[in-house]
Amino acid sequence: DAMVIQNPRYQVTQFGKPVTLSCSQTLNHNVMYWYQQKSSQAPKLLFHYYDKDFNNEADTPDNFQSRRPNTSFCFLDIRSPGLGDAAMYLCATSRAIVLNTEAFFGQGTRLTVV
Amino acid sequence: AQSVTQLDSHVSVSEGTPVLLRCNYSSSYSPSLFWYVQHPNKGLQLLLKYTSAATLVKGINGFEAEFKKSETSFHLTKPSAHMSDAAEYFCVVSEPPQGFGNEKLTFGTGTRLTIIP
Repeated sequence: DAMVIQNPRYQVTQFGKPVTLSCSQTLNHNVMYWYQQKSSQAPKLLFHYYDKDFNNEADTPDNFQSRRPNTSFCFLDIRSPGLGDAAMYLCATSRAIVLNTEAFFGQGTRLTVV
Repeated sequence: AQSVTQLDSHVSVSEGTPVLLRCNYSSSYSPSLFWYVQHPNKGLQLLLKYTSAATLVKGINGFEAEFKKSETSFHLTKPSAHMSDAAEYFCVVSEPPQGFGNEKLTFGTGTRLTIIP
């Protein structure tokens, strides 16, 4: 059974049109991450939540925002997508405090900007 | 600051022959180290993890990795490649060690494994 679920799997949006990607988890993990992975590159951390505490990476563009209304859900909002934002977006979770736990990844949402 | 170097961007092996994917790391702490696999258009799946217990770590699908502190390496091996192993492999370091809540995963640039029939 899928434990980290991302919807949709594929998203096409217009240049400049706001888009929201969603992630839900059944693991009750308190840490959730959003990564951006461009073609043939390694995933790059955008931000993460530790419970409700939001941690933004220094080089994450302001165009990217995130919301975590509860433990199970986390959203990635792209306010004005540009062509350079086309990528695979990966959501991951982990259980903080427990040492040496791994991160669990969703299947990803592939975003196309037209 | 932590970093990960995957020494080969692309590795090709024949089916049934051994696989070696190389990874070197640097970390200010005793690291947690992971290997993840990514099949085309799929998410990341954990192959194995090193968490300061045994230095030889066994993972899924017959993969193993050995943590060598003196060499700061965590190379991934498999005795006999299978066609289904063709994928992208990422070596990942976690600093502070995963589980403290403010840890970050740093990914290597990935190694694409091709299996020749």
